[in-house]
Amino acid sequence: DTGVSQNPRHKITKRGQNVTFRCDPISEHNRLYWYRQTLGQGPEFLTYFQNEAQLEKSRLLSDRFSAERPKGSFSTLEIQRTEQGDSAMYLCASSWGQGDMNEAFFGQGTRLTVV
Amino acid sequence: QKEVEQNSGPLSVPEGAIASLNCTYSDRGSQSFFWYRQYSGKSPELIMFIYSNGDKEDGRFTAQLNKASQYVSLLIRDSQPSDSATYLCAVIYYGGSQGNLIFGKGTKLSVKP
Repeated sequence: DTGVSQNPRHKITKRGQNVTFRCDPISEHNRLYWYRQTLGQGPEFLTYFQNEAQLEKSRLLSDRFSAERPKGSFSTLEIQRTEQGDSAMYLCASSWGQGDMNEAFFGQGTRLTVV
Repeated sequence: QKEVEQNSGPLSVPEGAIASLNCTYSDRGSQSFFWYRQYSGKSPELIMFIYSNGDKEDGRFTAQLNKASQYVSLLIRDSQPSDSATYLCAVIYYGGSQGNLIFGKGTKLSVKP
């Protein structure tokens, strides 16, 4: 399977625990995005990498959120001290961005439930 | 403020009709525009992209872009019940970080048999 892969698909955690999600982009894609999506809303931008560089972080991303993309390959998104408001679908997308061209493809997402 | 605006709907059309979905964006410098389809409980799927003013056709789908009006639309001809989904408009924003992809909230389309 050469698509974007996200793990785990589902995560249930107790409030206050830390969670980490992984995204494996399409091979050789240089751009990687993280989004959060709640019911009835469009994907909300969280952060974006070009290769290993984190180019932008949304103001939605509090200090409890951190993302990495070591060596410009897979990426991890960590949420520390989870809160019930963090319950959402976390989506990863990747693209081969070259100038204005940037067709991005999504993984299946990780659904987080904080109880 | 980076904004992509869509009418949330629901937009209801009969089977076989043309569905018209609209999107406006705030960054006049944007050059790249995308339409995604999202079925309930699934992740977004890229169906069209357009980089130049005018129309771009792919099967039953036509994307239309008017940069002067900061407006992009998606037409679905011969709508089918299987087209019932939420359609997301996405725009590349430039400025501090080239390549940031921002989404609208989506328009829910319902095609009635």
